[in-house]
Amino acid sequence: NAGVTQTPKFQVLKTGQSMTLQCAQDMNHEYMSWYRQDPGMGLRLIHYSVGAGITDQGEVPNGYNVSRSTTEDFPLRLLSAAPSQTSVYFCASRDGGATNEKLFFGSGTQLSVL
Amino acid sequence: GENVEQHPSTLSVQEGDSAVIKCTYSDSASNYFPWYKQELGKRPQLIIDIRSNVGEKKDQRIAVTLNKTAKHFSLHITETQPEDSAVYFCAARRLIIQGAQKLVFGQGTRLTINP
Repeated sequence: NAGVTQTPKFQVLKTGQSMTLQCAQDMNHEYMSWYRQDPGMGLRLIHYSVGAGITDQGEVPNGYNVSRSTTEDFPLRLLSAAPSQTSVYFCASRDGGATNEKLFFGSGTQLSVL
Repeated sequence: GENVEQHPSTLSVQEGDSAVIKCTYSDSASNYFPWYKQELGKRPQLIIDIRSNVGEKKDQRIAVTLNKTAKHFSLHITETQPEDSAVYFCAARRLIIQGAQKLVFGQGTRLTINP
C-alpha cells in the first residue's frame, strides 16, 4: 500500500490564484481530513469527510473548499489564494471504526503565496 | 469548541534523562488523547494514545498519563536517545457522531536531546 499520497510537494502561488491540492489513500479509509501546520500553532483542521459525499468544516475552513466523490480522493481547493494561506498542508485518513483511531498522514504540501 | 494548550514549546534534555510534555484541554466530553511525533521534514506519526477510561498507558520508554478531573494529560519519555529529537503534538478529540471526530492538536513541543 502506498498509504496517503499528496501532490504537489511544493507550490508557489500568486495572490488571487486558485489551485487544488490532491490527496489520495489506498487503505479504504472512510475518514479523511486536511490540516494546515503553522509555526507555534500546531495542526489545525480545515475540513474533514466521514465518507463519500459527506464533508464538514473544521476549525479554519474559510478560503478552502473540499469534495469527496470517491472513498479514495479528497482534494482541497484554494479559491483565491492569500498570503495568510502560506503553510504546510497535511492530508490524513483513518479507518472509520471506533477502535482504531490512528491517523495516517501524507507527506505534506509546502505552499507559499506571494 | 475544544482548546488544547501544550507546554513547553521547546525542551532540551541530556541524553539518558527523562522528558515530560504537558497538555490541558477544555472540553470535558473529550475522550481520546493521542500523541504524535514529527521528525524534521517528515509527516506526523502516532506514538501512543490513551482513552478517558484509563489513567496511564506505557509502551517501552514512552508513557502517557491522564487526569480527567484536572483535564490534563502528559507524555513521559524515559532514558532519552538522540532519535527522540522531534516535535511532539498532543491532541484531544470528541466523538461527534459515529465515525466523525474533530481532533484538536496542541501547539507542539520541539524536543532536543543533547549528547
